[in-house]
Amino acid sequence: GENVEQHPSTLSVQEGDSAVIKCTYSDSASNYFPWYKQELGKRPQLIIDIRSNVGEKKDQRIAVTLNKTAKHFSLHITETQPEDSAVYFCAASRGSARQLTFGSGTQLTVLP
Amino acid sequence: EADIYQTPRYLVIGTGKKITLECSQTMGHDKMYWYQQDPGMELHLIHYSYGVNSTEKGDLSSESTVSRIRTEHFPLTLESARPSHTSQYLCASSEPSLETQYFGPGTRLLVL
Repeated sequence: GENVEQHPSTLSVQEGDSAVIKCTYSDSASNYFPWYKQELGKRPQLIIDIRSNVGEKKDQRIAVTLNKTAKHFSLHITETQPEDSAVYFCAASRGSARQLTFGSGTQLTVLP
Repeated sequence: EADIYQTPRYLVIGTGKKITLECSQTMGHDKMYWYQQDPGMELHLIHYSYGVNSTEKGDLSSESTVSRIRTEHFPLTLESARPSHTSQYLCASSEPSLETQYFGPGTRLLVL
């Protein structure tokens, strides 16, 4: 089955700096890669996703890049703000008939 | 408003009790899921369903059971709660042709 590894497990950045979280996956047939943000005590919420036919996707301060050859994808947050502090999860899926496999999460702390 | 609802939000119960965690969604989704998550930690899939009368076990072995008699309802039952069941339980749903999952607010369970 699919295995998703996520690094780092914790990340602290100064407000205004950029943050990068990386994930690798094992199943070359995976073609859908979402990122979820979970604030303390809240439910995970989808913040951005990418499909395998695209190499990069941006939404304001958030971007995701995908390298299918190397089987890794990354979340980039620019101009970080204190409200970006949360746990971020990556995930991978082979398609709608398959389940999402989640990474172990990254605790991002943005220091004021 | 279309959403996923979970009740109760918090539950403290004694060992050996039978409990049912409720999940309902007004998203019109066919696929539903149950995850177990310790706070801020990895999400573990314990059960999922493709639709009415469909239930499957997930990656994490669980002593719980589920049923899917109605499209919008996916309850999870623990026949005999134990302290090892103490965790947060998240319900999610997705459209049949898309992998994007939307999460409910979760039920925090404490078994004494």
